[in-house]
Amino acid sequence: QSVLTQAPSASGTPGQRVTISCSGSSSNLGSNYVDWYQQLPGTAPKLLIYRNNQRPSGVPDRFSGSKSGTSASLAISGLRSEDEADYYCSTWDDSLSGSVVFGGGTKLTVL
Amino acid sequence: QVQLQESGPGLAKPSETLSLTCAVSGGSIGTYFWSWIRRPPGKGLEWIGYVYYTGSATYNPSLKSRVTISLDTSKNQFSLRLSSVTAADTAVYYCARDFSGAGGMDVWGQGTTVTVSS
Repeated sequence: QSVLTQAPSASGTPGQRVTISCSGSSSNLGSNYVDWYQQLPGTAPKLLIYRNNQRPSGVPDRFSGSKSGTSASLAISGLRSEDEADYYCSTWDDSLSGSVVFGGGTKLTVL
Repeated sequence: QVQLQESGPGLAKPSETLSLTCAVSGGSIGTYFWSWIRRPPGKGLEWIGYVYYTGSATYNPSLKSRVTISLDTSKNQFSLRLSSVTAADTAVYYCARDFSGAGGMDVWGQGTTVTVSS
């Protein structure tokens, strides 16, 4: 059971805009930044969005992030076949002595 | 640019201690947090913990009693030790650099598979 909740799957067709959601609580998303990771099959995760809505160098502007209260979203516009991957949200959780927590992941299928 | 490479045995026996090392190349340990994350088969990512450049470590509360993460600045590497392993510890283990201390992991190793089996 993950601390952050994500739908296990999502899908879209090429060119479409899809949104992946992440839900948490006051001790994590409610008081800390959210990061998003993309994990292509057989590869290591890649940082896609950090500090809610910042893109690392090299990440296309088709990817955007937002956060409101205890929820966050990752939007992918102009969907492409190479976007088919697992997507994870992540943040710091202030409970106990503090730790990084991940969502369960959303598998995005490009139809 | 900084690159990370995990190394260590791919097989561990139940009740034994799993030990992995992550070599940092193309840069120094600097003022970052050096992390371990794992992904069990068929499951999502799980943060194990990190060590700060000062040597201070923070762990996932669910693993804290079994985990030690340490730093060797002279060798530019950091290590993971996980004791009393069971089949549930079978996973791909990744090392990563956290630039924020709150989970912003911007550099990752390729991952190494560890299977726990007798």
